[in-house]
Amino acid sequence: ETGVTQTPRHLVMGMTNKKSLKCEQHLGHNAMYWYKQSAKKPLELMFVYNFKEQTENNSVPSRFSPECPNSSHLFLHLHTLQPEDSALYLCASSQDGDRNNSPLHFGNGTRLTVT
Amino acid sequence: AQSVTQPDIHITVSEGASLELRCNYSYGATPYLFWYVQSPGQGLQLLLKYFSGDTLVQGIKGFEAEFKRSQSSFNLRKPSVHWSDAAEYFCAVGPLYGGATNKLIFGTGTLLAVQP
Repeated sequence: ETGVTQTPRHLVMGMTNKKSLKCEQHLGHNAMYWYKQSAKKPLELMFVYNFKEQTENNSVPSRFSPECPNSSHLFLHLHTLQPEDSALYLCASSQDGDRNNSPLHFGNGTRLTVT
Repeated sequence: AQSVTQPDIHITVSEGASLELRCNYSYGATPYLFWYVQSPGQGLQLLLKYFSGDTLVQGIKGFEAEFKRSQSSFNLRKPSVHWSDAAEYFCAVGPLYGGATNKLIFGTGTLLAVQP
């Protein structure tokens, strides 16, 4: 059982749609992350929020828009995506985003398909 | 450049056999090393981590890993593999110091298949 919950598990959307991915963590952590996992490629860090403040935007296109209303919730708003954006999107949390002795805890991901 | 290399994309072992998954890294600072496992349809789960002390670290599910600074390696081992160990395994490295907001670098993963 994971302390990080992601919804939906699967999402199919057209290139003109707008959708949102949701992540909730029940671990009392202060940092939350979005990662993109594509086949045969290393995990790509997209965004980092530490104490609700965005501390990392890893050159992500503006069609991906994160939102972190509080330390327990993280959203990824999607609009006008491209087929190459199809991937598994993983949310993670850690106790403190500034310390590497606080390991990442991952959700089960949202499998996104852009048609 | 900082990088993590997992040279084996796919490994098949027999149930009960021993396992070693390789991980090599290139990192300018003192590294903080991790192994994660991802079962089908799941997120990544932390198996073990190393940042200092004894170079042989024990993790969950009977896994261990050995840090060898001279070889820039952090190989994952298990003496006897179970069918439930079939999954994808990821090595990751990050800075031990510097507060870099957990900017881990992940390898491309090794997919483990276990045959009866």
